[in-house]
Amino acid sequence: AQSVTQLDSHVSVSEGTPVLLRCNYSSSYSPSLFWYVQHPNKGLQLLLKYTSAATLVKGINGFEAEFKKSETSFHLTKPSAHMSDAAEYFCVVSDLTNTGNQFYFGTGTSLTVIP
Amino acid sequence: NAGVTQTPKFRILKIGQSMTLQCAQDMNHNYMYWYRQDPGMGLKLIYYSVGAGITDKGEVPNGYNVSRSTTEDFPLRLELAAPSQTSVYFCASSMTETQYFGPGTRLLVL
Repeated sequence: AQSVTQLDSHVSVSEGTPVLLRCNYSSSYSPSLFWYVQHPNKGLQLLLKYTSAATLVKGINGFEAEFKKSETSFHLTKPSAHMSDAAEYFCVVSDLTNTGNQFYFGTGTSLTVIP
Repeated sequence: NAGVTQTPKFRILKIGQSMTLQCAQDMNHNYMYWYRQDPGMGLKLIYYSVGAGITDKGEVPNGYNVSRSTTEDFPLRLELAAPSQTSVYFCASSMTETQYFGPGTRLLVL
């Protein structure tokens, strides 16, 4: 079975400094991996996805993530945090079953950006 | 495109009452999903559908029912509301691997 572990429930960074949100997954084969962002009282928005192409994936708003199979990780990074990045971030792995894709969510990482 | 829409945005129910959470998508997606999100937790799958007329249970289906009579609509039914069903409910749809989420329905059961 698939599972996702987000290693930090809360991350706090200063504006203009790098962001690192960590995600590890377990999968019996090559998974598809996603990062979603959720701003307060909003739905989830896709930041980026990995689907067995390039291991370094670029997403929206300057975010990127690197798929490392040997480490079973898919960490999300951004070189310079902006105040608008403050939100909840979810790492997701998908499992293709005979009835379609099922998605497994991490418990989320809350990002605080300090002015 | 409106994407995925959900109604209502917020609802308070008394224990034992019933209600239907509405979800609609205009992207002609085959797959639709219902999740609940509890504080400090990730999303848990309640039910999903791979197409009109086909639904299946997810991780936490107890206390809920769904139907999928059309491609566009995927309502979630709570028959006997319980305090444990206090949560934020998200509907999502997908054609392939990327899910598109609605804005959520916040439900409080007292």
